[in-house]
Amino acid sequence: KAGVTQTPRYLIKTRGQQVTLSCSPISGHRSVSWYQQTPGQGLQFLFEYFSETQRNKGNFPGRFSGRQFSNSRSEMNVSTLELGDSALYLCASSFGQYTDTQYFGPGTRLTVL
Amino acid sequence: AQSVTQLGSHVSVSEGALVLLRCNYSSSVPPYLFWYVQYPNQGLQLLLKYTSAATLVKGINGFEAEFKKSETSFHLTKPSAHMSDAAEYFCAVSDLGNQFYFGTGTSLTVIP
Repeated sequence: KAGVTQTPRYLIKTRGQQVTLSCSPISGHRSVSWYQQTPGQGLQFLFEYFSETQRNKGNFPGRFSGRQFSNSRSEMNVSTLELGDSALYLCASSFGQYTDTQYFGPGTRLTVL
Repeated sequence: AQSVTQLGSHVSVSEGALVLLRCNYSSSVPPYLFWYVQYPNQGLQLLLKYTSAATLVKGINGFEAEFKKSETSFHLTKPSAHMSDAAEYFCAVSDLGNQFYFGTGTSLTVIP
């Protein structure tokens, strides 16, 4: 069974640009969660999508947005990039119940110059 | 609200020594608890999961964790550390809304 895949694996952008990251969940999983990981802040929850609806949202500015498609694939978008957005962005998929394990992708390393 | 506290952001052990990584949780519902491991430049990999079936949970790579409700703890242990265990370890708890709460992580160094 294929795992969670994220594309691209690495990105370099400049301040003010926008970026879109993609996540393909494990087949059959309907929930996709996004996290930002930085050395100083650790793992911070961005949002979770379940069956194309945002179900949970973390404490991030509106520049961070996401969506989920009918095949459960998800994208997150960051507009007007700032230097502080440089991070490893991880997505995780699960069946969607709180008893379920979240399975993580390898992450997208975003560098903002 | 749920939360997780990992005591010790850095732990060093000698190869062959006991590994003990501490995790305390706060949960308003029966908790589902997880330990994940992260190797450099990789995503998180599930080590083990507590589901209330048994208080002692065995995971991959020889790790295990014991759920102690009275202490609200879920510490991770391994009897004998191996060089390949050097990584970042995260404890997490999930809530009824399927949101995961992660601890700040513990970096494990194994000294040869």
